[in-house]
Amino acid sequence: QVQLQMSGPGLVKPSGTLSLTCAVSGDSISNVHWWSWVRQSPGKGLEWIGKIFQSGSTDYNPSLKSRVTISLDKSKNQFSLNLRFVTAADTAVYYCARELHSGSGPSRRYHGMDVWGQGITVTVSS
Amino acid sequence: DIVMTQSPVSLPVTPGEPASISCRSSQSLLFTNGITYLDWYLQKPGQSPQVLIYSTSNRASGVPDRFSGSGSGTDFTLKISRVEIEDVGVYYCMQALETPRTFGQGTKVEIK
Repeated sequence: QVQLQMSGPGLVKPSGTLSLTCAVSGDSISNVHWWSWVRQSPGKGLEWIGKIFQSGSTDYNPSLKSRVTISLDKSKNQFSLNLRFVTAADTAVYYCARELHSGSGPSRRYHGMDVWGQGITVTVSS
Repeated sequence: DIVMTQSPVSLPVTPGEPASISCRSSQSLLFTNGITYLDWYLQKPGQSPQVLIYSTSNRASGVPDRFSGSGSGTDFTLKISRVEIEDVGVYYCMQALETPRTFGQGTKVEIK
């Protein structure tokens, strides 16, 4: 059974960097999936932050692109989110998720974001 | 960005009765491969979202067959044939045609 275990601080100071990690078990981050980050705040609902492929290729939400970095650590089978220069508007529940794909080339198929981390509430406050 | 709009915002349901949620996208979600990239997710109280339906009408692994998805182009529907108490929560549609992925604002399903 695939599981995503999130870790990171629940409190970040304004102008600081939010750093979260998502450890993958039951699957390899070197497989053909994308590994994603999504956040949820009362004011904006569910917001897609970005994703990373096993090659290290990334895709970010343009609204956050200047402040976001998503990275892989294949040795630890985990991926991470860094969000710089945070403000109160970045206060949210953050989730990691697997965007499941199967096959390759023309046979590659998408199966939704099928596994999610438990979520971490991050508050930006001094 | 593709804008996703759901209705209704709130849906009181009676166990055993059917229920239906609508989702509309600001542009067609049909890709050149013939697949229409619209997903449905359910977030039960206090839990992370879980996928129910992907690519318009495909039930995700382990999802009961009382859930079904349909639609095309820009108009989509999630149907629950007979609501069960465990189905309460907030339902979201999400377009997976392009990035950034975007979600509807959610439909809160609660028992009458």
